[in-house]
Amino acid sequence: SQQGEEDPQALSIQEGENATMNCSYKTSINNLQWYRQNSGRGLVHLILIRSNEREKHSGRLRVTLDTSKKSSSLLITASRAADTASYFCATDAGNQFYFGTGTSLTVIP
Amino acid sequence: DAGVIQSPRHEVTEMGQEVTLRCKPISGHDYLFWYRQTMMRGLELLIYFNNNVPIDDSGMPEDRFSAKMPNASFSTLKIQPSEPRDSAVYFCASSLGAGANVLTFGAGSRLTVL
Repeated sequence: SQQGEEDPQALSIQEGENATMNCSYKTSINNLQWYRQNSGRGLVHLILIRSNEREKHSGRLRVTLDTSKKSSSLLITASRAADTASYFCATDAGNQFYFGTGTSLTVIP
Repeated sequence: DAGVIQSPRHEVTEMGQEVTLRCKPISGHDYLFWYRQTMMRGLELLIYFNNNVPIDDSGMPEDRFSAKMPNASFSTLKIQPSEPRDSAVYFCASSLGAGANVLTFGAGSRLTVL
């Protein structure tokens, strides 16, 4: 399976702290994306990083990609209670997207 | 655009009954994906279409599952007969192109089979 795995499975932090979650995958990729899922909702795209990029920023989000280690990390800075959600990485293999198992983030006000 | 629209949002049925889930993708999107989400297995890709044509259905668990896309604005996922282990949230997602393109998900259909 090309499915990625996120680590940790669950993360609980205080509001204002930074949250880091990691994703590992198994095969070569073209792109890696991060999505967020609020409870009872569909997934929402956050950021995409291409295989030839090493780091990308979007607002309070910072994504890194290490293709030699087949891993990526998502950093959320200055977390807010509204960031409480599950976060998934998705890798593409041609026309298909494979999702990891997700990290459940709880930000305590 | 109203986004990807799925119906029903919730479905409770008894084992053996037929279940039909519906999806309206974003207008202009040429790829449509059906995913199933459970606590045990996470998000599983069931099938995807390109320009209404099924491209890969290797994720469809059994012959009890079937999916169609009769036109660019409508797709169905059917389970017949349904079983309790089919209980899950089923998501439809669409994209313009694939690979480097973004998936837009519907809100999901939560299926409970008793």
